[in-house]
Amino acid sequence: QQQVKQSPQSLIVQKGGISIINCAYENTAFDYFPWYQQFPGKGPALLIAIRPDVSEKKEGRFTISFNKSAKQFSLHIMDSQPGDSATYFCAAAESNFGNEKLTFGTGTRLTIIP
Amino acid sequence: DTGVSQDPRHKITKRGQNVTFRCDPISEHNRLYWYRQTLGQGPEFLTYFQNEAQLEKSRLLSDRFSAERPKGSFSTLEIQRTEQGDSAMYLCASSRTNEKLFFGSGTQLSVL
Repeated sequence: QQQVKQSPQSLIVQKGGISIINCAYENTAFDYFPWYQQFPGKGPALLIAIRPDVSEKKEGRFTISFNKSAKQFSLHIMDSQPGDSATYFCAAAESNFGNEKLTFGTGTRLTIIP
Repeated sequence: DTGVSQDPRHKITKRGQNVTFRCDPISEHNRLYWYRQTLGQGPEFLTYFQNEAQLEKSRLLSDRFSAERPKGSFSTLEIQRTEQGDSAMYLCASSRTNEKLFFGSGTQLSVL
């Protein structure tokens, strides 16, 4: 059972544009939603995370939007740069099990073109 | 280097052989996790330790897999009688309890 569904599988965005990646979850006990960035040959690195008590969180060019009723959350990358080209994973966890036991989505390969 | 260190980075083995991977977490991180990532997929949780105690194992972790964390420092993940389906990236991560998770660069296992 895939508990976190991510789309699109791949995304091409022009430099300076907005990249948007969407995720949906099924387990209503999830209460921690991070986004990870992964470059080839490297492990995932935490970008930004949100808890369901807020609907939006912004850190620099990265924003998470969260819709608890729809069980959906999304990552927006503003002013996308070639250096943002990577694979992005959404994830979810239940606090009771510790934030680190994560259920990941299948990933989005983002390519930023000049 | 203060990051999570994994060794080896790459391992090629023949089906039926045993392999062992090592993970050195960030010092003073009490939690250590193992995840597995196959091509085109997100990481999947395998098991985790709090200090030296193994607190949870995923049903993905068959009897051929064993993990240890003696003295609550480094950890090893052993796979016995490897199968082609074991080919994957094995990721180690560490954290303090309920804090940010740091991943290593992983060990890429290829079973021929």
